[in-house]
Amino acid sequence: KNEVEQSPQNLTAQEGEFITINCSYSVGISALHWLQQHPGGGIVSLFMLSSGKKKHGRLIATINIQEKHSSLHITASHPRDSAVYICAAPSFSGGGADGLTFGKGTHLIIQP
Amino acid sequence: DARVTQTPRHKVTEMGQEVTMRCQPILGHNTVFWYRQTMMQGLELLAYFRNRAPLDDSGMPKDRFSAEMPDATLATLKIQPSEPRDSAVYFCASGPLKGEQYFGPGTRLTVT
Repeated sequence: KNEVEQSPQNLTAQEGEFITINCSYSVGISALHWLQQHPGGGIVSLFMLSSGKKKHGRLIATINIQEKHSSLHITASHPRDSAVYICAAPSFSGGGADGLTFGKGTHLIIQP
Repeated sequence: DARVTQTPRHKVTEMGQEVTMRCQPILGHNTVFWYRQTMMQGLELLAYFRNRAPLDDSGMPKDRFSAEMPDATLATLKIQPSEPRDSAVYFCASGPLKGEQYFGPGTRLTVT
């Protein structure tokens, strides 16, 4: 079964800073998920990526399948980006729309 | 705007009582997941279905938990009897085959 590790666990930064959150997993997969959980508790899917890089607004996600590593970047960070960011991978090798194994999450606070 | 819905949003019950949580997946999604989130363990997969058939329920305590999909528009998660350690937020998510997962708002369960 996949094991997913995230770092850092907590991150506090000033508005405007470039943010990087890292994720590594142990079992080869077809796609990796990045999720965002706001203080109210709702979970939103940010990205699902299987190779290279994806960009949505100020968010960028990259993945290196060979190294089993992914990063989530936030450019020009803003206080509204404050949330928990969670990396998740299919629990078993080759899984696509399969049950996910989650990292512990990165609690991000952006101060004005 | 299609969304996953879950009921109830909050449930407080006494130990030993039966609890039933319901989920309506997004129309057309053929995969439905149940996850549980606690402070200690984070997010964990309990069970998931594809085309209403259970594919994996290895994350569920079999003696007290059961998950079903009586039809394509309803998934249920039942706990009988409930215990204080079952207190958590239970999320339902749905998705197309090999696609992103869309999370419901969650059911916050407190067992006293």
